[in-house]
Amino acid sequence: GESVGLHLPTLSVQEGDNSIINCAYSNSASDYFIWYKQESGKGPQFIIDIRSNMDKRQGQRVTVLLNKTVKHLSLQIAATQPGDSAVYFCAENRGSGNTGKLIFGQGTTLQVKP
Amino acid sequence: DTGVSQDPRHKITKRGQNVTFRCDPISEHNRLYWYRQTLGQGPEFLTYFQNEAQLEKSRLLSDRFSAERPKGSFSTLEIQRTEQGDSAMYLCASSLSRGPDTIYFGEGSWLTVV
Repeated sequence: GESVGLHLPTLSVQEGDNSIINCAYSNSASDYFIWYKQESGKGPQFIIDIRSNMDKRQGQRVTVLLNKTVKHLSLQIAATQPGDSAVYFCAENRGSGNTGKLIFGQGTTLQVKP
Repeated sequence: DTGVSQDPRHKITKRGQNVTFRCDPISEHNRLYWYRQTLGQGPEFLTYFQNEAQLEKSRLLSDRFSAERPKGSFSTLEIQRTEQGDSAMYLCASSLSRGPDTIYFGEGSWLTVV
């Protein structure tokens, strides 16, 4: 069935290195994607979004890449810091008429080693 | 704090009791969403309001669940005759209604049914 998924459940990186978190989606009609960061016991925190008419979008220390051909999304975090340790979710907008209903993947846990 | 506010943050209840959660969205956001998240999983969509109208409900929202947004501002989610399987974090989120606008989440309400 249709799903949004992440390639790896856990990613461990050294402080200062760059992190890349991947996400695959299967609904080619989805037109909006968001990355969220979730720390233990807290709600998801918006990081960055991208619309399907774009291939790349940059924020502060983060970059999202969208490859519609292979239905793949990635989040790159530059100079990873201990505060970046969290679970990262990609989410896909599948609502008809752009309702904003999101379908989430299962998440990748990012562990940053000092 | 002008973010999405949820109350209570934690609730422990006995099986069979009713519980109610409240959500105050970001002011001027006319869309409001409820999601449910269990341990190790991504959030799952439950229902969505545009102003006071409930426009979509997930199959996950059984007859024991009811959500309201009477004046188009705050919303309540009530669970009747709680079951142990209802134990989860209930997340509220809000957004503007101009297309797939950024959806901001609250910190969630943890429910434990014993």
